[in-house]
Amino acid sequence: DIQMTQSSSYLSVSLGGRVTITCKASDHINNWLAWYQQKPGNAPRLLISGATSLETGVPSRFSGSGSGKDYTLSITSLQTEDVATYYCQQYWSTPLTFGAGTKLELK
Amino acid sequence: QVQLKQSGPGLVQPSQSLSITCTVSGFSLTSYGVHWVRQSPGKGLEWLGVIWRGGSTDYNAAFMSRLSITKDNSKSQVFFKMNSLQADDTAIYYCAKRGGGNYFDYWGQGTTLTVSS
Repeated sequence: DIQMTQSSSYLSVSLGGRVTITCKASDHINNWLAWYQQKPGNAPRLLISGATSLETGVPSRFSGSGSGKDYTLSITSLQTEDVATYYCQQYWSTPLTFGAGTKLELK
Repeated sequence: QVQLKQSGPGLVQPSQSLSITCTVSGFSLTSYGVHWVRQSPGKGLEWLGVIWRGGSTDYNAAFMSRLSITKDNSKSQVFFKMNSLQADDTAIYYCAKRGGGNYFDYWGQGTTLTVSS
C-alpha cells in the first residue's frame, strides 16, 4: 500500500497570509493526487485533482504542485472560510489512500 | 445537479451487519463508479471499495472478507453491506462518485455508525 504522509497535523495561520500544506507519498504516484477540504460536520470537498487541476468553483487562491512523491497545496491570501482540515489522496494504485490531514488554525 | 443521499442505521451491535443505501441523482450508475470511504478519529479516511459502472467491484483487501457492494442501475441505488462489525468499525461511512480518475468529486452526506452493545 502507498502511505501518504502530511508532515503537519496542524498549521497556525493568519488571515491574508500564504499557507503551504505538504504531502509525501511512499512511492511515486505520477501526479495521481487529489486534495480535499473538510469542515466540521461536512463531507470532504474536492479541490484539486491530477496534482494541479483546480475543480470548477474552487477559488483561484488554491493551487497544487509537485511531482514524483512530493506534493503541495498552497493557499494565497487565506480567507476565514478556508479554515478547515485538508487531506491528500493518491489514486495511482489501490487501495486508494489518504493523508492524515492538516488542520488550519487561526493565530 | 449531482447528489448522493445515504440511508442506513446509526447503531448496530457487535457482530451484526451494516447496510447502507446510496441513492444517486444527476448522473447514471452506468456511466460512473461509486466508491465507499469511511472516516474515524483513530484511523482517518479509509477507502473501502468501489463498484464500477459495469457492475464489477474492487475492495480494500483489509475489508474484502466482510464487505459487499452491489447496485440497481434502474433505481440509481448502490447497496453497501459490511458484516461482523466490531467497535473499531465505529465511523462515518460515505458513498462518493468517481471523478475523472479514482478520486471523489461528489460525496454523500455520510452515515454515522456506532457499534455498541
